[in-house]
Amino acid sequence: GAGVSQSPSNKVTEKGKDVELRCDPISGHTALYWYRQSLGQGLEFLIYFQGNSAPDKSGLPSDRFSAERTGGSVSTLTIQRTQQEDSAVYLCASSLGGSSGNTIYFGEGSWLTVV
Amino acid sequence: AQSVTQLGSHVSVSEGALVLLRCNYSSSVPPYLFWYVQYPNQGLQLLLKYTTGATLVKGINGFEAEFKKSETSFHLTKPSAHMSDAAEYFCAVIPFGNEKLTFGTGTRLTIIP
Repeated sequence: GAGVSQSPSNKVTEKGKDVELRCDPISGHTALYWYRQSLGQGLEFLIYFQGNSAPDKSGLPSDRFSAERTGGSVSTLTIQRTQQEDSAVYLCASSLGGSSGNTIYFGEGSWLTVV
Repeated sequence: AQSVTQLGSHVSVSEGALVLLRCNYSSSVPPYLFWYVQYPNQGLQLLLKYTTGATLVKGINGFEAEFKKSETSFHLTKPSAHMSDAAEYFCAVIPFGNEKLTFGTGTRLTIIP
């Protein structure tokens, strides 16, 4: 597709289970971001990948959260031992990178509900 | 650390009236500035951005914003509101030489018929 693709679009999981959220960025985009959007917390930066550089993980809220990007393209955000406070929309975004002025394009998000 | 402040979490305007959504940033060096819009149950869509050059930036759907360095502001305006403008609007910044996009808390715009 032409845009940033995320899956699943909706996920309901039981507390304590692990979940994986997938992001397929726009073809040719070297920069990839994950954000979390939840009530009362706004849009929180989680992690940023740029090419082959070490990712900026400064926004990950705990060690239960991790992300990887394989082959410089698809990314997976993993949440281990999910908690109810992890319920949120997880947004992935990508850009051409290399310049701070490049537009960052967002996917539709993965809605996670932990019950 | 770079931050961005949006004044007013909720703004209501009448259809046809001026829309003004306020955004201020904190930085000694002007950052790159963005406005995104989020319609219900949808992702974020870029309205407009300021990087360099002309300080008055025009975006989609009739919106525009003016970068004012002296006021550290990047307010979003639209001369005449439409019902379809009802959404949440986010101001965001990327510090110069950085790649991390930091968002304001958002402003929910309601249009009164």
